[in-house]
Amino acid sequence: DIQMTQSPSSLSASVGDRVTITCRASQGISNYLAWYQQKPGKVPKVLIYAASTLQSGVPSRFSGSGSGTDFTLTISSLQPEDVATYYCQRYNSAPFTFGPGTKVDIK
Amino acid sequence: EVQLVESGGGLVQPGESLRLSCAASGFTFSSYTMNWVRQAPGKGLEWVSYISSSSSTIYYADSVKGRFTISRDNAKNSLYLQMNSLRDEDTAVYYCARGCGGDCYGDFDYWGQGTLVTVSS
Repeated sequence: DIQMTQSPSSLSASVGDRVTITCRASQGISNYLAWYQQKPGKVPKVLIYAASTLQSGVPSRFSGSGSGTDFTLTISSLQPEDVATYYCQRYNSAPFTFGPGTKVDIK
Repeated sequence: EVQLVESGGGLVQPGESLRLSCAASGFTFSSYTMNWVRQAPGKGLEWVSYISSSSSTIYYADSVKGRFTISRDNAKNSLYLQMNSLRDEDTAVYYCARGCGGDCYGDFDYWGQGTLVTVSS
């Protein structure tokens, strides 16, 4: 099975900082990658699908890029409401594996 | 408005069974693939199972294969997960999540609130 890794596992940044999270697939998955945000105690919410397409209603400070095996999620200007754990997920074929998550908080 | 409402969770002993349900509304349920995803306490997300819109294609995570059965009733707009031979490590919040329209693979754009399954003696 294709494994998904994320780095870093956690980060602390200041409001207004640019934040980048990396997701890597152990084999190529084209652009079949989604990013989810899960705030503490809440249900996961899709931010990005097809590696770089912003889900409707998601703030434009979120962006995604990459193809094949290497992907990034960028928050251009971190806001207090962005405190959450972020997960990547591949969906090119089953099993639809999630990455281990990256916890983001405010410094 | 798309809504997914899970039910059926609870406390069971190891080896016992439980059936989860997910009631869907606000969209044409029969046109979408559906999934179950779980999250153990304090842990990350784990995809559990997928079912295509027509039930013709079904997948399971290795961790539940042979013990869990996914099904759907498009006439009742409902998704199910029959869980047998439950283990301590199956303790988690179980979410149903909508996939893509048609028989396809896609991201999960709507999620239910989840139902807690606790397996403990």
